[in-house]
Amino acid sequence: NAGVTQTPKFQVLKTGQSMTLQCAQDMNHEYMSWYRQDPGMGLRLIHYSVGAGITDQGEVPNGYNVSRSTTEDFPLRLLSAAPSQTSVYFCASARFGVSGAGPGNTIYFGEGSWLTVV
Amino acid sequence: GQQLNQSPQSMFIQEGEDVSMNCTSSSIFNTWLWYKQDPGEGPVLLIALYKAGELTSNGRLTAQFGITRKDSFLNISASIPSDVGIYFCAGQYQAGTALIFGKGTTLSVSS
Repeated sequence: NAGVTQTPKFQVLKTGQSMTLQCAQDMNHEYMSWYRQDPGMGLRLIHYSVGAGITDQGEVPNGYNVSRSTTEDFPLRLLSAAPSQTSVYFCASARFGVSGAGPGNTIYFGEGSWLTVV
Repeated sequence: GQQLNQSPQSMFIQEGEDVSMNCTSSSIFNTWLWYKQDPGEGPVLLIALYKAGELTSNGRLTAQFGITRKDSFLNISASIPSDVGIYFCAGQYQAGTALIFGKGTTLSVSS
């Protein structure tokens, strides 16, 4: 998990509250992404970015917003939390972006953020 | 959208046995990655594959990038208790696209 920092690690929210999960990397990676992990569902992509100023939706984007104003940071915003958003969230980054994957361009994960919405 | 089918969903084996799991896709991927996740932690990269037909080893682990570019497999030889965890395959189609994950294979090893 070298170089990818996620905060907070644990959070409890009430339905309707908003919050931001922070993700930062210090490896000058182009690619950053957010996944959520639920039992039996694997890692599902929420949003991703292939470079500063560029974001795109993944498989499950509804209820989440992202922005990529700098190369280092990729925050995930929950505007109005719902119980269905209770999950473990992982931020991941990789050197490739528009340049494509290749040897050395592997993806690194943060340690996860456990979010509970009550 | 692109999807990866990973199988088996779970495996229960005895220590010392060999393990094989695979991922298939309905579309072509140009990169295949295999990850392992321990409880309470993020996934950690095991093996990366970038060329069709490529066979790569990492200790007791061996992975191959299928010739059709629509599949990949991971083998673990002589399993040990610390191999327990969830194994994920992941694929990327082309530059600038997202990395897609399979649903994972949960491995249990009894000694």
